[in-house]
Amino acid sequence: GQQVMQIPQYQHVQEGEDFTTYCNSSTTLSNIQWYKQRPGGHPVFLIQLVKSGEVKKQKRLTFQFGEAKKNSSLHITATQTTDVGTYFCAGPYRGSTLGRLYFGRGTQLTVWP
Amino acid sequence: DSGVTQTPKHLITATGQRVTLRCSPRSGDLSVYWYQQSLDQGLQFLIQYYNGEERAKGNILERFSAQQFPDLHSELNLSSLELGDSALYFCASSVRDRRGGEQYFGPGTRLTVT
Repeated sequence: GQQVMQIPQYQHVQEGEDFTTYCNSSTTLSNIQWYKQRPGGHPVFLIQLVKSGEVKKQKRLTFQFGEAKKNSSLHITATQTTDVGTYFCAGPYRGSTLGRLYFGRGTQLTVWP
Repeated sequence: DSGVTQTPKHLITATGQRVTLRCSPRSGDLSVYWYQQSLDQGLQFLIQYYNGEERAKGNILERFSAQQFPDLHSELNLSSLELGDSALYFCASSVRDRRGGEQYFGPGTRLTVT
């Protein structure tokens, strides 16, 4: 069935290293959203990309939306301990008249000091 | 603080029992979504309401039901509880219902079934 996949499921990095998580959908998305969930917390909206090939930056975080609007990536430069958490991608399927978002399973990032 | 409130924060109950989880969306948001998150699991979409009407259903068990009231708060009812229902239950809200806009999550209710 239709689904959103995310890899890797887990990533352990040393502080200062870069980190990338990838998101792939079996179906074209209207937009892609990224959320961060800190340990013990709730998902928090980070950003939304709408256009094909769009790239957005938030300080050390770079988000990309693929040309076909089926994949996306989140890259963190020079990770810090504050980056620890699970990063989820999500999006509504193009053409859907529902507001439902399809979430990836998330990438759990651990940063060693 | 997302502006979405959920009560209670924690709930411990026994198998076979019934519980009600409550959610108040952000001011102005008409859509409410319910999710279940088990240990090391992603977010499982349960159900969506928009302005009092059910909009979409996900992997919601028949033992579970939800509703959204005229004041837009929502309740998720879980009955005949089983050990496997132990999880974090999140409510999220958004302004739109059809365009898949960003969602704002509440702090969650941690349900433990013993």
